[in-house]
Amino acid sequence: VIWMTQSPSLLSASTGDRVTISCRMSQGISSYLAWYQQKPGKAPELLIYAASTLQSGVPSRFSGSGSGTDFTLTISCLQSEDFATYYCQQYYSFPRTFGQGTKLEIK
Amino acid sequence: QVQLVESGGGVVQPGGSLRLSCAASGFTFSSYGMHWVRQAPGKGLEWVAFIRYDGSNKYYADSVKGRFTISRDNSKNTLYLQMNSLRAEDTAVYYCAKDTFAYGSGSFFDYWGQGTLVTVSS
Repeated sequence: VIWMTQSPSLLSASTGDRVTISCRMSQGISSYLAWYQQKPGKAPELLIYAASTLQSGVPSRFSGSGSGTDFTLTISCLQSEDFATYYCQQYYSFPRTFGQGTKLEIK
Repeated sequence: QVQLVESGGGVVQPGGSLRLSCAASGFTFSSYGMHWVRQAPGKGLEWVAFIRYDGSNKYYADSVKGRFTISRDNSKNTLYLQMNSLRAEDTAVYYCAKDTFAYGSGSFFDYWGQGTLVTVSS
């Protein structure tokens, strides 16, 4: 099983800020990493896959980087609709695993 | 447009069984692997199971192995999750999710259903 450590678990920020969320793997996964956004009461939505490829329709203020064991999701210039919970997910091996989630709240 | 609609959730006693369904439309269901992912109340996401496009391979989380069975009926565009020997810790919203790549071996999820709540309680 590949264990994932996502940090921070809670992030307070203001509209217009730049924020980063980290995801660290217990072993290397090349670039087999995806990021999702989830709003309360809704299903998650895919933001980024292959560590840095933006899903169609996702705003360019979202970006991903990293490979191997360390990955980052960056949101530049936060908008009001970005306050949500974010999850990383590895698809290098089964069982698929998710990070614990990062709740991005308004400061 | 892709639509995934789960059904079959409800309240069940510990040790009981439940079968979830996920009706798919808007894409060629028989070409894509499918997953179940769950989320306990107030908690994070947990991947549960995957089935390849043709049903030839299935994978499970350790937490459900031997109790849950994923299956599909490509003639009905429907995915299933048979859940037996249910425990309180299985209480969650269960989502079906479409795998991104046709004929693949399981990757990430580009479309999700709205979820169905399963509550295991006496």
